[in-house]
Amino acid sequence: QSVLTQPPSVSAAPGQKVTISCSGSNSNIGNNYVSWYQQFPGTAPRLLIYDNHKRPSGIPDRFTGSKSGTSATLDITGIQTGDEADYYCETWGGSQSAGGVFGGGTRLTVL
Amino acid sequence: QAQLVQSGAEVREPGASVKISCKASGYPFTDYFMHWVRQAPGQGLEWLAIINLGGTFTNYAQNLHGRVTLTRDTSTSTLYMELSRLTSEDAAVYYCARGHKNYYYSMEVWGQGTTVTVSS
Repeated sequence: QSVLTQPPSVSAAPGQKVTISCSGSNSNIGNNYVSWYQQFPGTAPRLLIYDNHKRPSGIPDRFTGSKSGTSATLDITGIQTGDEADYYCETWGGSQSAGGVFGGGTRLTVL
Repeated sequence: QAQLVQSGAEVREPGASVKISCKASGYPFTDYFMHWVRQAPGQGLEWLAIINLGGTFTNYAQNLHGRVTLTRDTSTSTLYMELSRLTSEDAAVYYCARGHKNYYYSMEVWGQGTTVTVSS
C-alpha cells in the first residue's frame, strides 16, 4: 500500500483533458513539494513536474501540476496517443528520516 | 548533457548480496544528491535511498532494515548501491536517479535501470 494515493487508471480520448489526483497527508504532501513522473513500459521514469508546478525543459505545457493542502493534481490537456503511460506522484515523507514516497501510479489509457 | 549509466543485470541466490554501479557524466558529480529507486515486476516505484555526493548525508528506506549501503568513488564519478540478504521480494529493476539541483528529491536524470533476479 502506497503512502500517496492515486487512482489506478484514467482514460481519455485524443484531444481531451485528464486529471490525475494524488492524495497524501500533512506529514508528506502538506509540508513538501510534489513531483510527477511519466513512465513508458520497459523504460526509466521521466520527470514531468517538480516543485508542484514547474516543468523541466522539454516538457510541453500540456502537462500542468498543482498542489492544494495535502493533495496534488496533474492535468494533461490535448491528450495524444503518445501520452499513454504510467504516471507517478512523489514527495518527501515529512522528515529527514522518512525518505521519499511515491504514489501507486496511474495508468493513462488513450481511447 | 547529464547521463547516468548503470551496470548490467544480475542474478543472485537468496541470502546473497548484490552491488550495482551508476556512473555519472556530463555534470559535477559531487554537486548533486543521488537516489535509488526500484520497481518490482508489474509494480510501482519504490524509493530506497538518497546520498549527498559531498558525503555528508545519507538516508535509507526504513523497510530495508539496514540491508542497503551506498558508497561513491568521486575519482570515477561512480555511485554504488549494495543490497544484502536478498530475498525474492528484492527482485526488481533498480534505478539510480540524480536529484534536481535546487529540489533535491525531484529526480531529474535517471539511469537505464539494472534488473536484479533472485533465484535459487
